[in-house]
Amino acid sequence: ILNVEQSPQSLHVQEGDSTNFTCSFPSSNFYALHWYRWETAKSPEALFVMTLNGDEKKKGRISATLNTKEGYSYLYIKGSQPEDSATYLCAFGGAGANNLFFGTGTRLTVIP
Amino acid sequence: EPEVTQTPSHQVTQMGQEVILRCVPISNHLYFYWYRQILGQKVEFLVSFYNNEISEKSEIFDDQFSVERPDGSNFTLKIRSTKLEDSAMYFCASSERSKGTDTQYFGPGTRLTVL
Repeated sequence: ILNVEQSPQSLHVQEGDSTNFTCSFPSSNFYALHWYRWETAKSPEALFVMTLNGDEKKKGRISATLNTKEGYSYLYIKGSQPEDSATYLCAFGGAGANNLFFGTGTRLTVIP
Repeated sequence: EPEVTQTPSHQVTQMGQEVILRCVPISNHLYFYWYRQILGQKVEFLVSFYNNEISEKSEIFDDQFSVERPDGSNFTLKIRSTKLEDSAMYFCASSERSKGTDTQYFGPGTRLTVL
């Protein structure tokens, strides 16, 4: 079983603050790193799929970076809004497999 | 926008009963998956399915579990004789291809409660 860890487990920020959280994963047999945003009672929403070391992806106020050599990815949210409140999940895809290994998630609460 | 749907949203069953969880993947997708999340734990992979057969399964996916694509649209997960520890949120997902770089699109989940 691959160990994918996320920190912090939960985070409260004020509206307008920028924030970031971490996903760490095995650096060997890396194929892809996925980020999802999951609101309660809804489907996890795909944010990014990252494959290349040094990759940076952006979607509106959300961006992510990837370091495959040291095995981590950061997710950044600029100017947090209450609608950003959700659990953010990362998932590791290993070479030769099509299943994903998930972290425990970071639960973000943005206080208006 | 196309989405993965799952029914029911919540299923309550007695220990030892059979349950079938249903999913309708995105229509042009060829690869289908089941994952589950036990409360407070990580989302775990159960099985992947392509071309009417299992392509990968985890050690969780034992003889009590089976999957089927009974027609052109549905994808089902059957648990033959449920145990208390099968209580979890079960997610279906689909992707166009099987490469690990392909986005897997998830349904909203079925919460299974085994009493």
